[in-house]
Amino acid sequence: GAGVSQSPSNKVTEKGKDVELRCDPISGHTALYWYRQSLGQGLEFLIYFQGNSAPDKSGLPSDRFSAERTGGSVSTLTIQRTQQEDSAVYLCASTLSGGGGEQYFGPGTRLTVT
Amino acid sequence: ELKVEQNPLFLSMQEGKNYTIYCNYSTTSDRLYWYRQDPGKSLESLFVLLSNGAVKQEGRLMASLDTKARLSTLHITAAVHDLSATYFCAGPTFGGGADGLTFGKGTHLIIQP
Repeated sequence: GAGVSQSPSNKVTEKGKDVELRCDPISGHTALYWYRQSLGQGLEFLIYFQGNSAPDKSGLPSDRFSAERTGGSVSTLTIQRTQQEDSAVYLCASTLSGGGGEQYFGPGTRLTVT
Repeated sequence: ELKVEQNPLFLSMQEGKNYTIYCNYSTTSDRLYWYRQDPGKSLESLFVLLSNGAVKQEGRLMASLDTKARLSTLHITAAVHDLSATYFCAGPTFGGGADGLTFGKGTHLIIQP
């Protein structure tokens, strides 16, 4: 079946603009995770959703970052007033039930802030 | 909060040789994950280790978990060029359940003919 999909695959934006990244998890997966990967920081966990609820938002790097999930499916990660340090690959993953099972990753969105 | 340390971070080896990547983690964790990443690609799940003493094998890769020592290993047997990639270990950030994962820095593996 279809895996995790993310869009756009690449995004170049000017500093100060807002961006919205989208993740479509594997059908039926109730848990969804956002990570980012950068050369300097490696792989960082940002936030996870169980259904539409995000129990802990403390992993988000700043208050410019927000995420939501609707209908227990698609999630969007929004970065407001982007900064150059936001440049990274943003990865989304999903699992069947959120009980600690295997996380399946999407292809990522490469964000470049100029 | 979990801390994960991998070593080595870079490994160049010849085809046909054996080697082991080590993953130490800081706090009690009931599971450990190994992922592979090819350049420019996303993460591919290799193994999920769920209990002390767990051992899983897939082809030339074998992973094990010792929860008492807080150590997982990824052993490569008779390496082939196709195994060149970056390998990450990861564990639940807060110990279990539906956690996000904390990843090690990754081991960049190059296998030369």
